[in-house]
Amino acid sequence: GQNIDQPTEMTATEGAIVQINCTYQTSGFNGLFWYQQHAGEAPTFLSYNVLDGLEEKGRFSSFLSRSKGYSYLLLKELQMKDSASYLCALNRDDKIIFGKGTRLHILP
Amino acid sequence: DTGVSQDPRHKITKRGQNVTFRCDPISEHNRLYWYRQTLGQGPEFLTYFQNEAQLEKSRLLSDRFSAERPKGSFSTLEIQRTEQGDSAMYLCASSLPAGAEQFFGPGTRLTVL
Repeated sequence: GQNIDQPTEMTATEGAIVQINCTYQTSGFNGLFWYQQHAGEAPTFLSYNVLDGLEEKGRFSSFLSRSKGYSYLLLKELQMKDSASYLCALNRDDKIIFGKGTRLHILP
Repeated sequence: DTGVSQDPRHKITKRGQNVTFRCDPISEHNRLYWYRQTLGQGPEFLTYFQNEAQLEKSRLLSDRFSAERPKGSFSTLEIQRTEQGDSAMYLCASSLPAGAEQFFGPGTRLTVL
């Protein structure tokens, strides 16, 4: 299987930095996604890691370590609009397998 | 608007009725996916198409569910004899054949009474 584990909820303060971790167990996958989903809306793409290492895109960065079965999403300079669920997902056999998501609350 | 669209956005039905949802993908995308999402969970894969061919269907998908993409453009998802457990958000996504990123539509929220 490809169990994907991430914290259910996290809280952070506006302007701060938060790291959302994701661990998985799988025998193989093409890449790892992070999606953002606001309540009642569809998921939107944030990042896709194929190789190990850090991918930086503006305020958001994503890291992958295949040997450790681990990824994280780093959000800097948090804004109130970053309050959302963040979904870690694996691209495997042309399908995306999603984790349950981490609900991030931003406090002013 | 050139994104993925879904219709209807909301559907309320009585248990035992049949429902059908429609998804229009981004025009140049030949892959189309259906997912189901319940509260507090991530989207769960249901099935996907490449052009008009249905390439995979989740083992978790009941025989009451059927999907089509007759001309390789829009797709329909039908649920027969709905049950209360079918209440969920049904999401459609599309992608390019070699592109990993899937673009999601706004979803159809189904409530079965």
